[in-house]
Amino acid sequence: AIQLTQSPLSLSASVGDRVTVTCRASQAISSALAWYQQKPGKPPKLLIYDASSLESGVPSRFSGSGSGTDFTLTISSLQPEDFATYYCQQFNNYPRTFGQGTKLEIK
Amino acid sequence: QVQLVESGGGLVKPGGSLRLSCAASGFAFSDYYMSWIRQAPGKGLEWVSYIRFSGNTVYYADSVKGRFTISRDNAKNSLYLQMNGLRAEDTAVYYCARDQDAFDFWGQGTMVTVSS
Repeated sequence: AIQLTQSPLSLSASVGDRVTVTCRASQAISSALAWYQQKPGKPPKLLIYDASSLESGVPSRFSGSGSGTDFTLTISSLQPEDFATYYCQQFNNYPRTFGQGTKLEIK
Repeated sequence: QVQLVESGGGLVKPGGSLRLSCAASGFAFSDYYMSWIRQAPGKGLEWVSYIRFSGNTVYYADSVKGRFTISRDNAKNSLYLQMNGLRAEDTAVYYCARDQDAFDFWGQGTMVTVSS
């Protein structure tokens, strides 16, 4: 199974900061990567698919990049509602796998 | 609007069985792949199983292979997960999700607790 390693696993930041989360795959997955945001007690919400395509309705301050084994999720200017846990997920093959999650907290 | 509503969770003893259901609405259910994904308390996300349009092709995580069975009834716009031989480590919130490689819509989840 393809392993996804996220870093950092936790991050403290302030409103207005630019934040980057990375996801590294254990083997090349082309652009078959998605990013999700999850808030406590809620299901995950799709933010980015195909590594860099913004899901409809997601604010443009979210962006994704990368291909092969190295990927990033960037939030250009943190808003209060962005404090949550973020997961990457690969869909290059089965089993589908997720990263461990990155918890973004308010500094 | 797209809606996915899971049901069937609960408390079950180790070795027991449960059948989860997911009622879909707001989209052409038979045109979409579907998956089950779970999340143990305080833990990350784990994909569980996948099913194609007519149910002819299914995949499972190794952790549930041979114990869980995914199925669907397109006439009823419903997805199912039959869980047998449940273990403590199966305790989790179970989500159904529309699968377009990325999971673009998720239900609210149903809690399964395996404990004696």
